[in-house]
Amino acid sequence: DTAVSQTPKYLVTQMGNDKSIKCEQNLGHDTMYWYKQDSKKFLKIMFSYNNKELIINETVPNRFSPKSPDKAHLNLHINSLELGDSAVYFCASGRRAYEQYFGPGTRLTVT
Amino acid sequence: AQSVTQLDSQVPVFEEAPVELRCNYSSSVSVYLFWYVQYPNQGLQLLLKYLSGSTLVKGINGFEAEFNKSQTSFHLRKPSVHISDTAEYFCAVSPISNFGNEKLTFGTGTRLTIIP
Repeated sequence: DTAVSQTPKYLVTQMGNDKSIKCEQNLGHDTMYWYKQDSKKFLKIMFSYNNKELIINETVPNRFSPKSPDKAHLNLHINSLELGDSAVYFCASGRRAYEQYFGPGTRLTVT
Repeated sequence: AQSVTQLDSQVPVFEEAPVELRCNYSSSVSVYLFWYVQYPNQGLQLLLKYLSGSTLVKGINGFEAEFNKSQTSFHLRKPSVHISDTAEYFCAVSPISNFGNEKLTFGTGTRLTIIP
């Protein structure tokens, strides 16, 4: 059973489009995260949710909107996609920051 | 705020040789320390973590790391590497907090390449 799953694995789209990435965890954790990994492999946290409540919101453009329908899901919706949004997006879950489990990633390519 | 420095962006090592991947951090508060591994086209997997106690931490796949508070370092070591260790390795820190708002700050990663 996959602990943290993301769909889709690959996403190719044009500038200006709106897209969503879904994340689900079956570990029973209260906290979920979104990270962005750029082309140089640098990883940076974007958001974290605890029990459906937004806890961390880094300096991310407001075109990015996380949505948590329940504790097991944290989706990422991106409006008006730009070239600079091309990256790998990782979802993670954990009881605390020191015990995070990462999903396989979604490679977003904006053309 | 915290920052993490991984001085070596790439480390080539011959198979069965020892390796050390360096990590230094900066923080005004006490931190937890981590090493994650990312195999090609995969997500991150926790190798080991330091929360408290013994400064020598053992992880999976034969890796270990030593926390040195005075030097603010958390170097990763393995006495004998295998081809399967080829991957990107990330050092990370998280401030110790009771408020549930801790977050991981990552270094820029070290690409370990094992040479047969």
